[in-house]
Amino acid sequence: SAVISQKPSRDICQRGTSLTIQCQVDSQVTMMFWYRQQPGQSLTLIATANQGSEATYESGFVIDKFPISRPNLTFSTLTVSNMSPEDSSIYLCSVDSGQINTEAFFGQGTRLTVV
Amino acid sequence: DAKTTQPPSMDCAEGRAANLPCNHSTISGNEYVYWYRQIHSQGPQYIIHGLKNNETNEMASLIITEDRKSSTLILPHATLRDTAVYYCIVMKTSYDKVIFGPGTSLSVIP
Repeated sequence: SAVISQKPSRDICQRGTSLTIQCQVDSQVTMMFWYRQQPGQSLTLIATANQGSEATYESGFVIDKFPISRPNLTFSTLTVSNMSPEDSSIYLCSVDSGQINTEAFFGQGTRLTVV
Repeated sequence: DAKTTQPPSMDCAEGRAANLPCNHSTISGNEYVYWYRQIHSQGPQYIIHGLKNNETNEMASLIITEDRKSSTLILPHATLRDTAVYYCIVMKTSYDKVIFGPGTSLSVIP
């Protein structure tokens, strides 16, 4: 199993500012994923973060808006840049188990409100 | 394209079995069926997965039809704490990115 810690757990930010969300895992993992969950909606994958390479973004998400760092095998950050109220969501970090035929693990999320 | 189809919502009486269906008619031979759930204000939680055989663990049972085009997640004795959104997902391995559909919102009623 993997235990994921996300910081901050919640924040209220002014529009036009940026917020960096941290994701720390208690073991080394190959792939880390970032999701957004808008109010009342399901989770949408933002990007896949691999250590030592650029993140791979899903359609509709761009690096300028959501820059991601992955400096080592246990840590990643997601920045939400130049925020607007539409960015108000829960942002979640996820990791793969590192083994075939097992499950993914998710953090508890960062609840972001942009005012 | 959505790989799975689930009813948007279901109710279940507390103490009864909750049977959550999922259609995945385009599943390929090397894709697994995974179930996750998300309790309000928490991150998704893994429940169970299977390839073609029925599976059971301490949380639930997974019944996959012989043609693998549909499956049913069974919570044998639902409690109020099982109220959550349940997601059925098909994917090749855990290295695949997990793509969530709308899921089924299960309400367990006292």
